Amino acid sequence: DIQMTQSPSTLSASVGDRVTITCRASQNINIWLAWYQQKPGKAPNLLIYRASSLESGVPSRFSGSGSGTEFTLTISSLQPDDVATYYCQQYNSYRYSFGQGTKLEIK
Amino acid sequence: EVQLVESGGGLVQPGGSLRLSCADSGFTFSMYWMNWVRQAPGKGLEWVANIKEDGSEKNYVDSVKGRFSISRDNAKKSLYLQMNSLRAEDTAMYYCVRDLASPRGIWGQGTMVTVSS
Repeated sequence: DIQMTQSPSTLSASVGDRVTITCRASQNINIWLAWYQQKPGKAPNLLIYRASSLESGVPSRFSGSGSGTEFTLTISSLQPDDVATYYCQQYNSYRYSFGQGTKLEIK
Repeated sequence: EVQLVESGGGLVQPGGSLRLSCADSGFTFSMYWMNWVRQAPGKGLEWVANIKEDGSEKNYVDSVKGRFSISRDNAKKSLYLQMNSLRAEDTAMYYCVRDLASPRGIWGQGTMVTVSS
C-alpha cells in the first residue's frame, strides 16, 4: 500500500505569511493527489485535486504543486480563517490513503 | 442539493457487529464510486473501503479486511458497511463519501461508532 507522509505535523505562522505543507508518497502517484482542509467538528473540505487544480469556491491564495512522490500545498498569505488541519490524500489506485495531517495555527 | 446521510452508529461491545447505512438524496448514486472514511477521536483521516459503481469491485484497508464488508443497493440509493469482530481501535466517526478526491465529491455528516465494554 502507498504511504503518505506530511510535514510538518504542526505549523504556527503569522497572518500574511506564506505557508507551505509538504506531502511525500512512498511510490510514484503521478498527479493523483488531493488536499483537504478540516475544521473541528466538520467533515473535510476539498481544496485541491489532481495535485494542482483548485476546487471551485476555494480562495486563490491556496495552491498545489508537485508530481510523482513529492507535493506541496501553499497558502500565499495566511488568513485567520485558515486555522485548520490539512490532509493530503493519494488516489493513484483505488486503495486510497491519507497523510497524517498538519495542524495549522496562528502565532 | 445532494446529501448523504449516514445512520447505524452507536455503542457496541468488543467482538460485536454493527451495520452502517448511507442514504443518497440525489439522482445519480449509481454513477459514482462510494467510500467509507473514518476518523478516530482526535486523530487523522483513514480511508476504510470503497465500491465501484456497479458493485463489481471492492477495496479495503488492511486493518479491516476479513471483518468489514462494503455493499450498495443502487435501486435504494444506499451504501452499507457491515462491521464484524469490532475492536476498540475501530472507534471513530465514519463518513460516507461520494467520489473521493473529485470536484463531484460529497461527504456525509458522519455517524459515530464506539467500541467499548
